[in-house]
Amino acid sequence: DQQVKQNSPSLSVQEGRISILNCDYTNSMFDYFLWYKKYPAEGPTFLISISSIKDKNEDGRFTVFLNKSAKHLSLHIVPSQPGDSAVYFCAASAGNYGQNFVFGPGTRLSVLP
Amino acid sequence: EAGVAQSPRYKIIEKRQSVAFWCNPISGHATLYWYQQILGQGPKLLIQFQNNGVVDDSQLPKDRFSAERLKGVDSTLKIQPAKLEDSAVYLCASSLDSGLNSPLHFGNGTRLTVT
Repeated sequence: DQQVKQNSPSLSVQEGRISILNCDYTNSMFDYFLWYKKYPAEGPTFLISISSIKDKNEDGRFTVFLNKSAKHLSLHIVPSQPGDSAVYFCAASAGNYGQNFVFGPGTRLSVLP
Repeated sequence: EAGVAQSPRYKIIEKRQSVAFWCNPISGHATLYWYQQILGQGPKLLIQFQNNGVVDDSQLPKDRFSAERLKGVDSTLKIQPAKLEDSAVYLCASSLDSGLNSPLHFGNGTRLTVT
């Protein structure tokens, strides 16, 4: 039973354009969400987070949007750069359980020069 | 700041053998995690330590997996005996504390292949 879903296994985007990575969750108790980026042969690296009290959080080229009613969040990267090519994981946690994050299966982003 | 160190990077063993992985977290990080990442899936939490105490081991297959963090710093994860389905990348992560505003810092992982 996948509580966190990333239905697009892969995504290709032209350099300079917007990349939109999507994530859906089923557990209504989730109230804190993170995005991680992973390069081959390396561990995931924290990118950006959002709490359920917000619907948007921005950090430079990265913006995460949260739609609680739809149980959906998305990561926007603008403008996309070749160095953004990596696997992106969405993760969610229920506050009561601290850092017990449930990860999605990941989306592989390829930014084409 | 030095990152989370893990060893070995790769390990190949036969089923029913035993294996151990080692993790040294970022200095000062009280919370340490072991994750299992099977190919094509996201990381799955196996065990979480706060200092040298276990916070959550609900998804650890305790009949074959064990982990310890005796001095509240580095940690070892052991599998005995290994099964084919244990083939995965084992990721260690640490965070300053268990609060939600403490992001996890991951090591590069140990890729285990069980034949």
